[in-house]
Amino acid sequence: EVQLVESGGGLVQPGGSLRLSCAASGFTFSSYWMSWVRQAPGKGLEWVANIKQDGGEKNYVDSVKGRFTISRDNAKNSLFLQMNSLRAEDTAVYYCARDIARNGVGATDYWGQGTLVTVSS
Amino acid sequence: DIQMTQSPSSLSASVGDRVTITCRTSQSISNYLNWYQQKPGKAPKLLIYAASSLQSGVPSRFSGSGSGTDFTLTISSLQPEDFATYYCQQSHSTPNTFGQGTKLEIK
Repeated sequence: EVQLVESGGGLVQPGGSLRLSCAASGFTFSSYWMSWVRQAPGKGLEWVANIKQDGGEKNYVDSVKGRFTISRDNAKNSLFLQMNSLRAEDTAVYYCARDIARNGVGATDYWGQGTLVTVSS
Repeated sequence: DIQMTQSPSSLSASVGDRVTITCRTSQSISNYLNWYQQKPGKAPKLLIYAASSLQSGVPSRFSGSGSGTDFTLTISSLQPEDFATYYCQQSHSTPNTFGQGTKLEIK
């Protein structure tokens, strides 16, 4: 059974940092692109970043470029999101997600339960 | 970035109704379009990928169509468990943007 379990969320002051982790199990982690998607309270979904199987390619939404870094440790089946210079607008539930390619089209087929990040003084 | 416009933003319907949600993209994305369902307090669930392919385990009352810039998600006969929020997402290019969501409520 595929499982994605996020951790590391919490309350942080504006300008602070947090590192989110995602523990993956039930599949060959090193064979999949992985993503982070966030959802501000009462709002819609926002794609944040993704990373290739070997970590050699990373993509970010403009609003987090230069502040967030996605990384992975395939030996430990883990995905990470280092978040620096946090702002109030980064407050959200952050989901770890597995990406797939079906018929040559990318999609996200498994999601974690999410971890809440609150940026507030 | 590719902009996504979903409509309507909310919809009231009854069990047994046929419902259609539309998604329009700011540029052509071929069939790089996915649909997700999200219930309150839960993670999203993939329903449709590549515009019209049904994800494994998803009931056949869900269907998707479209190509280029205009896409639709259709639920042929609403069931009580279908009342949720639906999102489209493009995977043609990063950032893989989502639509703003359509909240489907019971009439």
